[in-house]
Amino acid sequence: EVHLLESGGGLEQPGGSLRLSCTASGFTFSNYAMGWVRQAPGKGLEWVSAISGSGGTTYYADSVKGRFTISRDNSENTLYLQMNSLRAEDTAIYYCAKAPLEVRFYYFDYWGQGTLVTVSS
Amino acid sequence: EVVLTQSPGTLSLSPGERATLSCRASQSVSSTYLTWYQQKPGQAPRLLIYGASSRATGIPDRFSGSGSGTDFTLTISRLEPEDFAVYYCQQYGSSSLTFGGGTKVEIK
Repeated sequence: EVHLLESGGGLEQPGGSLRLSCTASGFTFSNYAMGWVRQAPGKGLEWVSAISGSGGTTYYADSVKGRFTISRDNSENTLYLQMNSLRAEDTAIYYCAKAPLEVRFYYFDYWGQGTLVTVSS
Repeated sequence: EVVLTQSPGTLSLSPGERATLSCRASQSVSSTYLTWYQQKPGQAPRLLIYGASSRATGIPDRFSGSGSGTDFTLTISRLEPEDFAVYYCQQYGSSSLTFGGGTKVEIK
């Protein structure tokens, strides 16, 4: 059974940094692209970033490009999102999600339960 | 960037009724790249339909997807109590994903 568990969320001041982690189990982690999707309180879904199975290719939404970095450790079955220069508008639940293919992320077939990031002074 | 517009914003129906949800794209989207998700309060999104019309594993056959080009539809043939939720469409293109604003299906 596929299981994705996010951690690392919390309260951070504007301009600060946080690193989110997502530990995966139940599938061969390196065979699949992974991504992050966020949801601001009471709002819809927004794609943030994705990474290929090997980790060699990364993709970002314009809203986070240059501030966030996605990475993965296939030996530890863990996905990361390093978030720098945080802004109030980054406040959201961040979901880790698995894609059905190694390189392309046409959609996400499994999702974690999310971790809440709050950016406020 | 492709913008997805979902309508209506809220659909008020009774159990047993048919629900028809619309997702309109600002430019043509390949059917391969059109996906639907269901989200219940306090839960993560759940994959329903991929490739515009293929049901994900474990999804009941009362859920169906159709459409092409710029107009896509999610149909729930007979609403069950557990189907009252928010539904999002999503498209992939130019190495990015965009989501529609969602349609809430509520109990009338």
